Amino acid sequence: SQQGEEDPQALSIQEGENATMNCSYKTSINNLQWYRQNSGRGLVHLILIRSNEREKHSGRLRVTLDTSKKSSSLLITASRAADTASYFCATAPGGRDDKIIFGKGTRLHILP
Amino acid sequence: EAQVTQNPRYLITVTGKKLTVTCSQNMNHEYMSWYRQDPGLGLRQIYYSMNVEVTDKGDVPEGYKVSRKEKRNFPLILESPSPNQTSLYFCASSPGTGNNQPQHFGDGTRLSIL
Repeated sequence: SQQGEEDPQALSIQEGENATMNCSYKTSINNLQWYRQNSGRGLVHLILIRSNEREKHSGRLRVTLDTSKKSSSLLITASRAADTASYFCATAPGGRDDKIIFGKGTRLHILP
Repeated sequence: EAQVTQNPRYLITVTGKKLTVTCSQNMNHEYMSWYRQDPGLGLRQIYYSMNVEVTDKGDVPEGYKVSRKEKRNFPLILESPSPNQTSLYFCASSPGTGNNQPQHFGDGTRLSIL
């Protein structure tokens, strides 16, 4: 069963624009993480946000978490060609952390 | 350099021929996990381990075995591979108990079962 679901599935924007992708989940969580994957490579961790946090920043990345709506968003500001990748959210259902479920991902393409 | 190392990176084999994909981490992490990635399905967890001799099933454990005899190693065993196990496999490790710390991923193993 899918815990995290990202949308949109794919997103193309011009370089310099902001990119926003969303993740929805079904049950309570302790933490939510966002990862990036360049084509066929291993995932790279971006940000971890805990259930008692509402917003977190890291460089050009901003993550929000709304536990009442069971959703999170990842905003990439001033996008660059190097941001072209797939982005995944990861959660662990039911207040546990051991069994991890990834969403299907958002494919982001930055146009020059 | 802190890393998760998987071997082999690529393997083409035939149905029924037992194979093992090795995974090793040099960060003294407690938690290790295996995932498979298929087009349109994202990453799905196969098995995970909280520590030495402690393993548990993920979402898609059928057809796979794992062991955790040492902290640094977490091999994935396919006793009798079938074509539906053709996939891209990732090993990951974390200093925490799973999703409460960032996972570090290997570069992946692309398996083709004919």
